[in-house]
Amino acid sequence: AQSVAQPEDQVNVAEGNPLTVKCTYSVSGNPYLFWYVQYPNRGLQFLLKYITGDNLVKGSYGFEAEFNKSQTSFHLKKPSALVSDSALYFCAVRGTDSWGKFQFGAGTQVVVTP
Amino acid sequence: DTAVSQTPKYLVTQMGNDKSIKCEQNLGHDTMYWYKQDSKKFLKIMFSYNNKELIINETVPNRFSPKSPDKAHLNLHINSLELGDSAVYFCASSQGGPTYNEQFFGPGTRLTVL
Repeated sequence: AQSVAQPEDQVNVAEGNPLTVKCTYSVSGNPYLFWYVQYPNRGLQFLLKYITGDNLVKGSYGFEAEFNKSQTSFHLKKPSALVSDSALYFCAVRGTDSWGKFQFGAGTQVVVTP
Repeated sequence: DTAVSQTPKYLVTQMGNDKSIKCEQNLGHDTMYWYKQDSKKFLKIMFSYNNKELIINETVPNRFSPKSPDKAHLNLHINSLELGDSAVYFCASSQGGPTYNEQFFGPGTRLTVL
C-alpha cells in the first residue's frame, strides 16, 4: 500500500519569505514523487517530479523540492514567495510496482500575504 | 490549444437522474483517469484506462460507468444520481501505465445534485 501525508492544512507566509510545504510518503519499491498546484476553480497543474538521481529537483515557477530517502520526505520549497503562489498544493506518490495509480495527499493551502 | 478538456464545466441536476461527463485529450497519451474531488478538496482516483482497457477500478458504486471509445476519450456516466455524488470530477491523462510520467488534468466538472 502507498500513502502520502501533508501534515499542514495551511501554510501562511509573507511575500518575499521562504516557503516550505511538507510531504512524507510510504510506498513499496522506489518512489516516484510529484508536486501539483491547484488554483481556485482550476484543474491541477504539474510542478515537478522526482524519479531518480539528484535529490534536489527544480520545477516550474521557481519551485524546487528535496527528496530525502531516510526521512521518506519530499518537501516543496521556494526561496521567495509571491502573492500569486497562493493556491492549494498536492503531493503525490507512485510506487514503481503500482501500475498507473497515483496516491495524492490531502493538500496544503498556501496563503501568501503582501 | 486545450490539452485535456471536459464538458460540461457545470452540471446541476436532480436526485435520481442520469448524467454523463465527457473528456478528451489531444496530447497523444494512452492512459486516462477520472478523479473525484470532494468538498474538502480530497482527491480520489476512480478509474483509469490504458489503450481503452480498464486498469484501475477503485471502490466506486456501480452507478458510475466509464467508457473509453478511443485513446483520446474517456467518458463518465452516472446513473441514479445521489446527493453524495456532488463533487468536482477531474479527468486526467498521462503517457504510459507503469511509468513515471506526470498526469495532465482537465479543468474539472462541478456536479451539484439537488
